[in-house]
Amino acid sequence: QSALTQPASVSGSPGQSITISCTGTSSDIGAYNYVSWYQHHPGKAPQLMIYEVSNRPSGISNRFSGSKSGNTASLTISGLQAEDEADYYCCSYTSSSPWVFGGGTKLTVL
Amino acid sequence: EVQLVESGGGLVQPGGSLRLSCAASGFTFSTYSMNWVRQAPGKGLEWVSYISSRSSIIYYADSVKGRFTISRDNAKNSLYLQMNSLRAEDTAVYFCAREEDIKYGSDYWGQGTLVTVSS
Repeated sequence: QSALTQPASVSGSPGQSITISCTGTSSDIGAYNYVSWYQHHPGKAPQLMIYEVSNRPSGISNRFSGSKSGNTASLTISGLQAEDEADYYCCSYTSSSPWVFGGGTKLTVL
Repeated sequence: EVQLVESGGGLVQPGGSLRLSCAASGFTFSTYSMNWVRQAPGKGLEWVSYISSRSSIIYYADSVKGRFTISRDNAKNSLYLQMNSLRAEDTAVYFCAREEDIKYGSDYWGQGTLVTVSS
């Protein structure tokens, strides 16, 4: 199972919005609505930010939102804050693994 | 408070073995599926293995199939990963993560334990 494709890096200024894409195939993102997004500050435990494409766990800011179209999922962060600077990973259920992660995107808040 | 604490990492020679543990507390461990996920130095997250709440369903990534064995002891609230025939490419921080249902993702993770495979 190949990793999902994410941009290596994205950046934005405080207050702006950014979107991170995650491209898979018809065997993972395109087939199931079980896409999740994780925020990872190096040295800490990853944190679930979005599950089932667009749902936020309790306690996660509504500045974080998710969507999906075809084989591509997206994470949007609005009103960027310094603390949002981290690595972000998408993850999808697949017909084979059962889970596959994206390669990760480093978000820099300028 | 939900807590997952990994242990058992360390330095091991290629071809060697290591057993990782994940101690769970703050929730009913026996009702959750569990995953092991790893992160090699400078790389992204890689799913390693999955075990259902009663150990009836187990999956492995192709990269570890036949070498790693996942197990759990619900009476001890513990998850394990037996790693044999270790290779340099298995060097990584290993995280355990709980999963209530495939819909909900892995909502709690441990801080990880470092495994280094080197001579």
